[in-house]
Parts: sequence; C-alpha cells; structure tokens
Amino acid sequence: NAGVTQTPKFQVLKTGQSMTLQCAQDMNHEYMSWYRQDPGMGLRLIHYSVGAGITDQGEVPNGYNVSRSTTEDFPLRLLSAAPSQTSVYFCASSYGTSGSHETQYFGPGTRLLVL
Amino acid sequence: AQSVTQLDSHVSVSEGTPVLLRCNYSSSYSPSLFWYVQHPNKGLQLLLKYTSAATLVKGINGFEAEFKKSETSFHLTKPSAHMSDAAEYFCVVSGGGSNYKLTFGKGTLLTVNP
Repeated sequence: NAGVTQTPKFQVLKTGQSMTLQCAQDMNHEYMSWYRQDPGMGLRLIHYSVGAGITDQGEVPNGYNVSRSTTEDFPLRLLSAAPSQTSVYFCASSYGTSGSHETQYFGPGTRLLVL
Repeated sequence: AQSVTQLDSHVSVSEGTPVLLRCNYSSSYSPSLFWYVQHPNKGLQLLLKYTSAATLVKGINGFEAEFKKSETSFHLTKPSAHMSDAAEYFCVVSGGGSNYKLTFGKGTLLTVNP
C-alpha cells in the first residue's frame, strides 16, 4: 500500500490564483481530513469527510472547499489564494468513523507559498 | 469542547538522559489521547495512543505515556534519549465516543545534545 499520498509537494501561487491540493489513500479508509500546520500553532482541522458524498467544516474552513466523490480521493480547493494561506497542508485518513480511538494516518504534506 | 496544552514549547536534553514531554488535556467526554512525532520536513507518525484500556501506554522507539485522569495529564517519557529522537512532538486529543475530530497541541520541540 502507498498509504496517504499528496500532490504537489511544493507550490508557489500568486494572490488571487486558485488551485487544488490532491490527496489519495489506498487503504479503503472512510474518514479523511485536511489540516494546516503553522509555526507554533500545531495542526488545525480545515475540512473532513466521513465517507463519499459527505463533508463538513473543521476549525478553519474559510477560503477552502472540499468534495468527496470517491472513497479514495479528497481534494482541497483554494478558491482565491491569500498570503494568509501560506502553510503546510496535511491530509489524513482513518479506517472508521464510529470511534474516536481510530488512528489517523498522515500524508507527507504540501508546502504552499502564496505571494 | 476539547483542548490540549503542551506545557513546554522546547525541551533540550543530553543523549542518554531521560525525556519528559508534558501534556494536559480537557475534554467533555472520555477522550482518546495520542502522541505524534514529526521529524524535520516529514509527515506525522503515531508514537502511541490511549483508548481507555491500560493507563500506561507503551509506544514505538521506547516511548511511553501515562494517562492520569485526576490530573488530566498524558505526559510522554523515555528513559534514555537518542540523537534520532530530535523532532517535534504533538499531543492530540479526540472528542471521545463517535467524535473522531482531533485537536492538536502546539507542539514541543525536542533537542538532543551529544
């Protein structure tokens, strides 16, 4: 298994541009989520999904959209990039959604710089 | 609501000495607690997790943590630090029950000196 994969690894955008961060997992996990990591802030939840066709907002959803058309993929869309969205983005997945004890597996991250 | 406080932003130890990374949590329910490690420019790796079984949890690479409900703490320890332990460590709480959303602490940077 490849686990959780993310593309691209690094991206530079200009203010106002849009882009999609890709996330895929091959473990047949139901739960997927997106986090951003900023210095001294830990990781903060952006959006999450408990299965295909179901998404919900996390702690910091503004400026981001998600969709979940398949179990495997969970793309994150930046509609109009702003410098405040400069961050490292992590995608994570876990097997089930019925228990908080599920271990979440993280991708390697995407570094985004917005100029 | 749930929250996590990592009491030290930076801990520095010498190789071969014990490691203590402190974490306090707050949760309305019986939580699950995790420690994740992040090496420079890498993703996050699970060290260990507590899910209401044994209060002393053993993880990978010689780390362990003890869940103390009365103190709302989940401190991470290791008897003898190795140079490869240098990394950032995150204490994480989930909401309990069917609440699978994770709340991260702000992280503790562990430096290991030769």
